[in-house]
Amino acid sequence: GAVVSQHPSRVICKSGTSVKIECRSLDFQATTMFWYRQFPKKSLMLMATSNEGSKATYEQGVEKDKFLINHASLTLSTLTVTSAHPEDSSFYICSATTGTRPGELFFGEGSRLTVL
Amino acid sequence: QQQVKQSPQSLIVQKGGIPIINCAYENTAFDYFPWYQQFPGKGPALLIAIRPDVSEKKEGRFTISFNKSAKQFSLHIMDSQPGDSATYFCAASRGGSYKLIFGSGTRLLVRP
Repeated sequence: GAVVSQHPSRVICKSGTSVKIECRSLDFQATTMFWYRQFPKKSLMLMATSNEGSKATYEQGVEKDKFLINHASLTLSTLTVTSAHPEDSSFYICSATTGTRPGELFFGEGSRLTVL
Repeated sequence: QQQVKQSPQSLIVQKGGIPIINCAYENTAFDYFPWYQQFPGKGPALLIAIRPDVSEKKEGRFTISFNKSAKQFSLHIMDSQPGDSATYFCAASRGGSYKLIFGSGTRLLVRP
């Protein structure tokens, strides 16, 4: 149980285009999901907290207009990188909680974005 | 106060050895300390977690030791195998929050 799926796993796009990454909780309902960004050989940096039916809460320094997050249902959150530039190239990972055990998070497989 | 400091940055052991990864924290409000394992190109997977009311927790070959007074916790991997070669992250959260603060990671290589 507690499987989190991300799609796509890899995406390459041209500079200036927008890319959407989906995060789904497959076997549980997730009222809260989190989006992380990870640079090569670095730790995970929390970008935003996504709550179903409400606006996402962004961490300091994360551009909310650049990284649009939508959590339209209890099993789906999306991250849209708008007007992507090469510096947005990174590994994006989502996580979700079942809400039954405080602190316990389950992560997706990650999505590697390359902006040319 | 929000940081979790992890060491070493990298670690090489022979098969069967016992690698030990250490983490330290400052915020005494932290009350949940998980360890995650990450393989290249994959998301982190929860390995084992501990809360401050116990000093040690074992799950299979993985053991967490927790020292509340020193504000330190560590991961021990017994009988390490080449398949354990991965990056390990410690983390902490507080007060029932799901917001994790991650350590910087330790790249473990287990030689055959």
